Amino acid sequence: EAQVTQNPRYLITVTGKKLTVTCSQNMNHEYMSWYRQDPGLGLRQIYYSMNVEVTDKGDVPEGYKVSRKEKRNFPLILESPSPNQTSLYFCASKVDSSNTEAFFGQGTRLTVV
Amino acid sequence: GENVEQHPSTLSVQEGDSAVIKCTYSDSASNYFPWYKQELGKGPQLIIDIRSNVGEKKDQRIAVTLNKTAKHFSLHITETQPEDSAVYFCAASRTATGGFKTIFGAGTRLFVKA
Repeated sequence: EAQVTQNPRYLITVTGKKLTVTCSQNMNHEYMSWYRQDPGLGLRQIYYSMNVEVTDKGDVPEGYKVSRKEKRNFPLILESPSPNQTSLYFCASKVDSSNTEAFFGQGTRLTVV
Repeated sequence: GENVEQHPSTLSVQEGDSAVIKCTYSDSASNYFPWYKQELGKGPQLIIDIRSNVGEKKDQRIAVTLNKTAKHFSLHITETQPEDSAVYFCAASRTATGGFKTIFGAGTRLFVKA
């Protein structure tokens, strides 16, 4: 089954404790991205990757890092999480960078206390 | 900056009625307009999309219209059913340096009452 898998689904952590949210897709998609969803703000892009070893900032990249060492994986790293990073996070992938359908993971609800 | 305004934020309809969600975009270079449905506990899923060279597109009970002059596009759901209850996001996308740029609306929570 074609899918985007995120882990964990839920995470509660403390301020300053480094964490990684993993994302994996099995569709051989070139393009992957991370979004955060906050009430009243919709989905905002954090980082995106057009292919292996090619990443770039989205609209709200501060406080986040990503890497793309393999085509299927695109982890999101919070080096020093803060309470304002409490949010619902989605990973998405697309065939390529053109205007086509994005496939989303099921989301990771992160709470930073 | 670029933005997409989506209205209403909440919409409640009776089963069988129609539902309309409207979006306005600011970037005139936008040329792709997808709509996503997000059910509880799941990620958004594409339900319909329209490109700037088309004014209307229909897929069974859902349709999308685009007015490029007004920079306005709408989602129409006819004969609503309880399973249509979800959060709907519109988005506007354009080709940009390094790929493309997509801006999402804030979302509309649709309730369909049986």
